Amino acid sequence: AQKVTQAQTEISVVEKEDVTLDCVYETRDTTYYLFWYKQPPSGELVFLIRRNSFDEQNEISGRYSWNFQKSTSSFNFTITASQVVDSAVYFCALSEVYNDMRFGAGTRLTVKP
Amino acid sequence: GAGVSQSPSNKVTEKGKDVELRCDPISGHTALYWYRQRLGQGLEFLIYFQGNSAPDKSGLPSDRFSAERTGESVSTLTIQRTQQEDSAVYLCASSFGRVSIGGYNEQFFGPGTRLTVL
Repeated sequence: AQKVTQAQTEISVVEKEDVTLDCVYETRDTTYYLFWYKQPPSGELVFLIRRNSFDEQNEISGRYSWNFQKSTSSFNFTITASQVVDSAVYFCALSEVYNDMRFGAGTRLTVKP
Repeated sequence: GAGVSQSPSNKVTEKGKDVELRCDPISGHTALYWYRQRLGQGLEFLIYFQGNSAPDKSGLPSDRFSAERTGESVSTLTIQRTQQEDSAVYLCASSFGRVSIGGYNEQFFGPGTRLTVL
C-alpha cells in the first residue's frame, strides 16, 4: 500500500531563514508520482510540483527546490529565504499508476516577520 | 469559471439532518475527486469520477455518504443523517484524467465546503 509520511507537524521560522519540509513515502511500484501542494490560510490547495519516479533530477523554481532521492524514499522541499507569504500547510502526496493520490498529514509552516 | 467552485462555502447543520455539497469542476476536466479534511489532518480520499465510468467509491467512510455526477459536469456529495464526526472541510478537485503511464494530470482543488455538525 502506498503511504506518505510528513514527520514535521509544525515548523516555525523567521523570515529569510531557509526551511526544509520532509516527505518520506512508501510504495511497491516502480512507476509512481510525487507531488507537493500548498494550502494557504484561504484553504484552497495549490499545486506546486510533480515528479515521476524515473526522474531523480532535483528541481529549482525560484526560492523553491525539491530533492528527490529514491534511495531513501524521500522527496523533500526547501524554501530558501522564506517570506511571510510562504506561511501555509504543505502537503506531500504520492500516486501510483491507476491509483488515487495519497496525501501526507501536512506540515504547517509559519514564517514570522 | 476559471477554477473549481464549491458551494456552499460553509454549512452548519444539526446532527441527524441530511446535507448536500456541490462541486463545479473546471470545464473539460473529465476526472472529479472528493476529499475530506478534518481539522489539522491531511486529505482523505472519498470518491472519484472519470467520465461516464462507474465511480470509485472505495474511500466513502459509510453508507451515509453518496455522490453523483452527471457526465462531466457538476457533482453533489450527500451525507445522510449527519454525525458530529462528519464535521470537516470537504474538498473537490478536478483534472483531465487519472494517472496514466504517460504522465499525470494534476488535480485542481476548489476552496472547499466547511461542514459543521452540531
